[in-house]
Amino acid sequence: KQEVTQIPAALSVPEGENLVLNCSFTDSAIYNLQWFRQDPGKGLTSLLLIQSSQREQTSGRLNASLDKSSGRSTLYIAASQPGDSATYLCAVSGDYKLSFGAGTTVTVRA
Amino acid sequence: GAVVSQHPSWVICKSGTSVKIECRSLDFQATTMFWYRQFPKQSLMLMATSNEGSKATYEQGVEKDKFLINHASLTLSTLTVTSAHPEDSSFYICSASKLAGGWYEQYFGPGTRLTVT
Repeated sequence: KQEVTQIPAALSVPEGENLVLNCSFTDSAIYNLQWFRQDPGKGLTSLLLIQSSQREQTSGRLNASLDKSSGRSTLYIAASQPGDSATYLCAVSGDYKLSFGAGTTVTVRA
Repeated sequence: GAVVSQHPSWVICKSGTSVKIECRSLDFQATTMFWYRQFPKQSLMLMATSNEGSKATYEQGVEKDKFLINHASLTLSTLTVTSAHPEDSSFYICSASKLAGGWYEQYFGPGTRLTVT
């Protein structure tokens, strides 16, 4: 059974600092890995999807890397802003199912 | 686009009653829809996978007689929580699967907050 772990569980940084969020998974046989953003009481917003054959994906200030052999992914958010405050979830796709981590709750202080 | 809606967005019901939650894919047809539940500060846990026109596949530990899933069309799946109890209070999120860029990607609804009193 796939286990997905996200460290740290919570993170508080001053505005402008770069964010580094980590995700690890136990079974490297994945199709892809996806990062989501979740605001309190809301659904999920997809941020980046990395195919298993890819090493990284970038979108604006966001960059996600994938090392499938070691079972790790990292989400970098450059020059953080208060609007980046949210919970970030990592999910890996094996077969047709998604397995989620518990998330990292980020607070960016103005 | 790939928009998924859920209705209602929140519901409060009394213990022992049943509640139905709808999940719709608004601008695409989804052969597969998924139902998740999320407890506070915890991850999303897959409850079941539903395919249009067939019975849902439930994850281990999920009571299929309690959580009834119907996927009557390519754009609509419903989750009915029967004889709800306070421990069923949770955030329920659905997703719909669409072929995008050569793989199936899940698009998530906004979630439904269920409170059982």
